[in-house]
Amino acid sequence: GESVGLHLPTLSVQEGDNSIINCAYSNSASDYFIWYKQESGKGPQFIIDIRSNMDKRQGQRVTVLLNKTVKHLSLQIAATQPGDSAVYFCAEGVYSGNTPLVFGKGTRLSVIA
Amino acid sequence: NAGVTQTPKFRVLKTGQSMTLLCAQDMNHEYMYWYRQDPGMGLRLIHYSVGEGTTAKGEVPDGYNVSRLKKQNFLLGLESAAPSQTSVYFCASSHPQGLTYSPLHFGNGTRLTVT
Repeated sequence: GESVGLHLPTLSVQEGDNSIINCAYSNSASDYFIWYKQESGKGPQFIIDIRSNMDKRQGQRVTVLLNKTVKHLSLQIAATQPGDSAVYFCAEGVYSGNTPLVFGKGTRLSVIA
Repeated sequence: NAGVTQTPKFRVLKTGQSMTLLCAQDMNHEYMYWYRQDPGMGLRLIHYSVGEGTTAKGEVPDGYNVSRLKKQNFLLGLESAAPSQTSVYFCASSHPQGLTYSPLHFGNGTRLTVT
């Protein structure tokens, strides 16, 4: 719900512009990364994922970039729409292991119409 | 396909009361998870299960117990609720990591308030 968004970094973007949400991950052994979108009052929804053998992956209006050298992940949203307003989480994990994903604290995206 | 269903959606407890949160998934997923979400803290893993009859501790397991008696259900129990357990609880499920390229599927959460 709304209380989830308190104290989160916030990115405000004009409708139609491109959005870039950044995430720094901590575990050098992580080789699997996922972006989730969470709308108010709902559970997180899968957006896109990427494995460490790639540095870029594209979906519908979204692109994930991975920079393993500096342990950085970004989510780019093209032509941002009001429906994109939500909290975005990155998650990291080890693809071949049994250890669960670790989630970042999230970034709130606010689209200005 | 309902996906991941959590019940109840809302609950208010008094300190010391007990309750069980139910999670059900119809995707035949092996793995199931319970997370809590607090303002500014992101999602923190409480317990998880890699298969029927197995459970494991996550990052913040204290004060909670879980059971996975059936593959499709994962129960989260609070034996003696405390105000610090006021949170939004999310259940998730997935195929085993490493066998299938399958991210977590989440339910819509249970908002718990402990007074």
